[in-house]
Amino acid sequence: AQSVSQHNHHVILSEAASLELGCNYSYGGTVNLFWYVQYPGQHLQLLLKYFSGDPLVKGIKGFEAEFIKSKFSFNLRKPSVQWSDTAEYFCAVSSGNTPLVFGKGTRLSVIA
Amino acid sequence: GAGVSQSPSNKVTEKGKDVELRCDPISGHTALYWYRQSLGQGLEFLIYFQGNSAPDKSGLPSDRFSAERTGGSVSTLTIQRTQQEDSAVYLCASSLGVVMNTEAFFGQGTRLTVV
Repeated sequence: AQSVSQHNHHVILSEAASLELGCNYSYGGTVNLFWYVQYPGQHLQLLLKYFSGDPLVKGIKGFEAEFIKSKFSFNLRKPSVQWSDTAEYFCAVSSGNTPLVFGKGTRLSVIA
Repeated sequence: GAGVSQSPSNKVTEKGKDVELRCDPISGHTALYWYRQSLGQGLEFLIYFQGNSAPDKSGLPSDRFSAERTGGSVSTLTIQRTQQEDSAVYLCASSLGVVMNTEAFFGQGTRLTVV
């Protein structure tokens, strides 16, 4: 069965700091990879996705993620975080006719 | 509709009662999923409907949980004889079709509190 590991439970950063959130998955075949974000009091929204092609994926709000197949990783990055990036971030994986499998999430707190 | 709609948004129930949670997917989406979100546990897959195929029920935690999808659209998740550990946010999502190469859109969720 697939599994997704997010290494950081809670990350606290100052505004303008750089962000990298780790995500590793356990499936060896073809995968689709996603990062979802949940802002306080709001529903889950797609931040970015990887289906195929360029392993460096650009998403909304300046986020990007890099798919490294050899490392089974799909880490999320942002060069300079803002207070409004405070949210919970979820990595998710799907393959074939299987539903999305999510990691446990990383809570990001950005302080002024 | 414009997005995935779930009702009620909040539900408080007494232990032992049955509850029904409703999900209206995006029009035209053939795939529908239910997840449960508990604090610190991420999103736990419950059940998945795809078109007219038999649902994937592999994530349902016990036989107290069931779900149906009528007419390929609206879905109802039923929890019988609720327990305190059922307290969580129940999320519904829909997508155009099979999960590969499509993205899932989520509703706001139903926050269930069992007292």
